[in-house]
Amino acid sequence: EDQVTQSPEALRLQEGESSSLNCSYTVSGLRGLFWYRQDPGKGPEFLFTLYSAGEEKEKERLKATLTKKESFLHITAPKPEDSATYLCAVRGGGGYNKLIFGAGTRLAVHP
Amino acid sequence: NAGVTQTPKFQVLKTGQSMTLQCAQDMNHEYMSWYRQDPGMGLRLIHYSVGAGITDQGEVPNGYNVSRSTTEDFPLRLLSAAPSQTSVYFCASSLPTSSSGNTEAFFGQGTRLTVV
Repeated sequence: EDQVTQSPEALRLQEGESSSLNCSYTVSGLRGLFWYRQDPGKGPEFLFTLYSAGEEKEKERLKATLTKKESFLHITAPKPEDSATYLCAVRGGGGYNKLIFGAGTRLAVHP
Repeated sequence: NAGVTQTPKFQVLKTGQSMTLQCAQDMNHEYMSWYRQDPGMGLRLIHYSVGAGITDQGEVPNGYNVSRSTTEDFPLRLLSAAPSQTSVYFCASSLPTSSSGNTEAFFGQGTRLTVV
């Protein structure tokens, strides 16, 4: 069964304190691993798509990496505006773009 | 370009009432879907559609109905609301994975539904 587990559930950082969020997955035939950011009361906002082990993508202070079993979202020198819930999802086999989501990591960055 | 638009943003229903959550997208995406988000759980797929006139069930379809008469619209109907359907509902749209373009899902802002 396709499954996504994110850790930690919550993370509190001081501004400038770098860290990583983890997304472990099991899926038959990975057709993409997605990272989304979700602010309170809003819908998920797309950040990155990774397709194969070894792939990396960056956007401002965020960098996503992928192995055969997990993905990391590295946050370098975070700012308070990076505070949000970060969601990881995988797309497996089958004819539809079905996404399997993890429960998310709530990140709080304090000045 | 509005993206994915959901209405209403908030709704309170009494047990047994029915209602329709609206979803519209202006990106000409073939694929549309409905998810629910509950505390401590990931988003779960309710129903999806791969094109006008074609719908199918996701992992939690019971108590919900969908139809897709146009590419733009994908309404979700609650037939007889139950407290267990209290949740935040998100509509999403995307291109097919066979597309040469980016195939990430775009989400609406959500509908927060409370059933009392």
